[in-house]
Amino acid sequence: EAGVVQSPRYKIIEKKQPVAFWCNPISGHNTLYWYRQNLGQGPELLIRYENEEAVDDSQLPKDRFSAERLKGVDSTLKIQPAELGDSAVYLCASSFTASSGNTIYFGEGSWLTVV
Amino acid sequence: GQQLNQSPQSMFIQEGEDVSMNCTSSSIFNTWLWYKQDPGEGPVLLIALYKAGELTSNGRLTAQFGITRKDSFLNISASIPSDVGIYFCAGHVNNAGNMLTFGGGTRLMVKP
Repeated sequence: EAGVVQSPRYKIIEKKQPVAFWCNPISGHNTLYWYRQNLGQGPELLIRYENEEAVDDSQLPKDRFSAERLKGVDSTLKIQPAELGDSAVYLCASSFTASSGNTIYFGEGSWLTVV
Repeated sequence: GQQLNQSPQSMFIQEGEDVSMNCTSSSIFNTWLWYKQDPGEGPVLLIALYKAGELTSNGRLTAQFGITRKDSFLNISASIPSDVGIYFCAGHVNNAGNMLTFGGGTRLMVKP
């Protein structure tokens, strides 16, 4: 079974430029997450989707970040314009909510460097 | 918000030694997850725990869900060089927020 797929793996852009990340979750997983991980820290949630609906975006900096999950499958995360402090790993994750619990699987991440 | 305290922050051990790390929280969690992250990769799920008191093994790894539901530990027996990486605990609450909260990570270094 394919895992969570993300692209691009690595991206270097100049500040003020836009950037977009794409995520394809594990088939059948209704919940999709975008996390940001700064160097030496644990991941922090940016936004969570239940199917097509963004149910938790309280940590998403809405002035420059946007996300969408059309048709409840793939998702994109966009930053426009990028700032130097946005350099981080952007992790997509997905899960299927079962009665036993909620196990979350991560992609390999999109590593962003803003120069 | 919920906070997870993970310790130790880093460990430098000799190959063959056993390793133990733990996470504690001020809040109750319904699920505890342990991940390992290698350089340049995303976190990979090692063990998932769903019930208080649950003890689960995955090869040389053993993890337990604390009875109070506020803590969990991960043990690695007979460490090998490929165990090197950062280990994260994460707690999950089955409520409307449905958030996964991460600890700060334990960086493990193994000397051959």
